[in-house]
Amino acid sequence: DVVLTQTPVSLSVTLGDQASISCRSSQSLEYSDGYTYLEWYLQKPGQSPQLLIYEVSNRFSGVPDRFIGSGSGTDFTLKISRVEPEDLGVYYCFQATHDPNTFGAGTKLELK
Amino acid sequence: EVQLQESGPGLVKPSQSLSLTCSVTGYSITSNYWGWIRKFPGNKMEWMGYISYSGSTSYNPSLKSRISITRDTSKNQFFLQLNSVTTEDTATYYCARSGYFDYWGQGVMVTVSS
Repeated sequence: DVVLTQTPVSLSVTLGDQASISCRSSQSLEYSDGYTYLEWYLQKPGQSPQLLIYEVSNRFSGVPDRFIGSGSGTDFTLKISRVEPEDLGVYYCFQATHDPNTFGAGTKLELK
Repeated sequence: EVQLQESGPGLVKPSQSLSLTCSVTGYSITSNYWGWIRKFPGNKMEWMGYISYSGSTSYNPSLKSRISITRDTSKNQFFLQLNSVTTEDTATYYCARSGYFDYWGQGVMVTVSS
């Protein structure tokens, strides 16, 4: 199975700071069709996960432009500029390129 | 608006079967893919499998032959059955519209305990 290694495990930030989360894959996530099926999800406390980013860098409908996904191959990053209170929770990367699809272990974003 | 809602028992005995229903409104399950994901105590998340618009299925091999995902298109529902459960299957179970998971149910917590 593809292993997604997320770092850091937890991230303490001050509101208004930038936060950066890394997701490294044990295999390239570029599919034979040329697309890279790497997604980012946020699970806020008491809520279901919500989609933030798909195909590495595409923001889902309604996601603020302070969320920026980037990367290629095996290295991916989610950056959150100007962290706001509603951004707190656990972030997951997820790959749908290889079977079985797999999640990273999660990164908890919390206030300093 | 697309909405999904899981339902099913919150407590299952070891060695029995776990059966959950995902009821979908606002979109037909004969389009897209429809998946099950679970979150274990702590943060670990696992993709379990999906059923497609045509009824074909794909499962996580880690669940071997224990898992089955089926559907009832007349009710716009799809189902998860997980056989021979153990305490390690204790988790919150989510259904979601797949492709990427853009719509999720609220989740149902299932405890496996005697």
